[in-house]
Amino acid sequence: GAGVSQTPSNKVTEKGKYVELRCDPISGHTALYWYRQSLGQGPEFLIYFQGTGAADDSGLPNDRFFAVRPEGSVSTLKIQRTERGDSAVYLCASSLISSLAGGRTQYFGPGTRLLVL
Amino acid sequence: DQQVKQNSPSLSVQEGRISILNCDYTNSMFDYFLWYKKYPAEGPTFLISISSIKDKNEDGRFTVFLNKSAKHLSLHIVPSQPGDSAVYFCAASPLTQGGSEKLVFGKGTKLTVNP
Repeated sequence: GAGVSQTPSNKVTEKGKYVELRCDPISGHTALYWYRQSLGQGPEFLIYFQGTGAADDSGLPNDRFFAVRPEGSVSTLKIQRTERGDSAVYLCASSLISSLAGGRTQYFGPGTRLLVL
Repeated sequence: DQQVKQNSPSLSVQEGRISILNCDYTNSMFDYFLWYKKYPAEGPTFLISISSIKDKNEDGRFTVFLNKSAKHLSLHIVPSQPGDSAVYFCAASPLTQGGSEKLVFGKGTKLTVNP
C-alpha cells in the first residue's frame, strides 16, 4: 500500500511569491497533519484536519499560511507572499481515527523542501 | 519552552553494542509517546510507540521504556547495526478525546553506529 506522498519534493521560489504544497495521505486515514522542520530542529506542528475541516490551526505562524482539504483526502498548504524565513522542510502526516488501537500513530511523507530566495 | 527534550545531540556506539537514546518531557497531559527515525532527505519513519498505561514496549531489537513519575522515556536498540545510523526523534501527544493529537517533537539525537 502507498504511504503518504508529497509534491513537489523541492520548491525554489522568490521572496514575495505564492506557493502551494500538496499532500496525499494514506488511503482511509481521516486525520491529516502539517508540520514544518527547520535545520537542527524537530518538526513543529502547523495544522490538523479531521475530515474536511481544520480542527486545529494553532500552529500556523501568521495569516500568510493557509491549508485546505476540500474532499477529506488530499490537502494543500498555501503560503502567500513568501519570506526567506519560510524556508524549511514541510512535512505532512496522516493517521487513523485516534480512538482505534494504534490509530494515534502518525505516518509521515517525504516532505517538500522549500527554499525562498 | 521545550516540552520535549533530547539532551544529547549525538551518540556514537560500536556495532553489536546497545544504543540508549533518552528523552524527557514536561507536560503531564502527554499520554502517548513515539520514536521516529530519520535519514537525510527523507521524512520521519515511525519506529515504536508506547501508551502511558504501559512502562515498556518491545519490537524486535527496539524497546521503549517509559517512567511516568520521572517524565522520562528511553529507546534501547540491541544489538546496534550500522544501518541504524540516523537521527532519532522523540515525540509526544496529548490525550484530547477525538481532538487534535498534534505531536510535540524533541530536537533529535544523531546516532552513529560504527562497524
